[in-house]
Amino acid sequence: NAGVTQTPKFRILKIGQSMTLQCTQDMNHNYMYWYRQDPGMGLKLIYYSVGAGITDKGEVPNGYNVSRSTTEDFPLRLELAAPSQTSVYFCASSRLSSGNTIYFGEGSWLTVV
Amino acid sequence: EDQVTQSPEALRLQEGESSSLNCSYTVSGLRGLFWYRQDPGKGPEFLFTLYSAGEEKEKERLKATLTKKESFLHITAPKPEDSATYLCAASLDNYGQNFVFGPGTRLSVLP
Repeated sequence: NAGVTQTPKFRILKIGQSMTLQCTQDMNHNYMYWYRQDPGMGLKLIYYSVGAGITDKGEVPNGYNVSRSTTEDFPLRLELAAPSQTSVYFCASSRLSSGNTIYFGEGSWLTVV
Repeated sequence: EDQVTQSPEALRLQEGESSSLNCSYTVSGLRGLFWYRQDPGKGPEFLFTLYSAGEEKEKERLKATLTKKESFLHITAPKPEDSATYLCAASLDNYGQNFVFGPGTRLSVLP
């Protein structure tokens, strides 16, 4: 029962470094999402994808990039890390868009120092 | 602007003390109202989906209800293992960007 798998679980980055958060799902879901969660705030959508080769910006895309080369994988790239990117990142997927349950990974804790 | 708010921000209950959590939403084109449970250090775990006003769903000590403006998560005779953050989310009729999440209610149930 893998579901949505994210790596790494924890990471500390220095300002200006880059890294990729990996996400894979084994439920054959069309839609995949990246959210960030900050204390006291709701989950904010960074990027989403409706299928392989198709991605689009969410509410807070600045400083991030994504790609979707396969149905299963949806990596999130952080370029030139900034302290404002310190957050918990969740990858998620759903079978379709509106009205369908969204399933989350366990999260990736990122600290930029 | 589509918005989801939750109250209270935090709630402490004694074991067995029933209460309700509130989720108020101001959105256009609601396609579903979702409740999730989130344990510390974990991702949100799906609990319920409600699709229309008047609908109710139950699971163990939890019951979710929906009106045209808000949803309630009723917790009956809670146990310490019910301690978690409860998130609600509105699924909208927008292509792709379809979930608006509330900030959550942190529930602590004391033995």
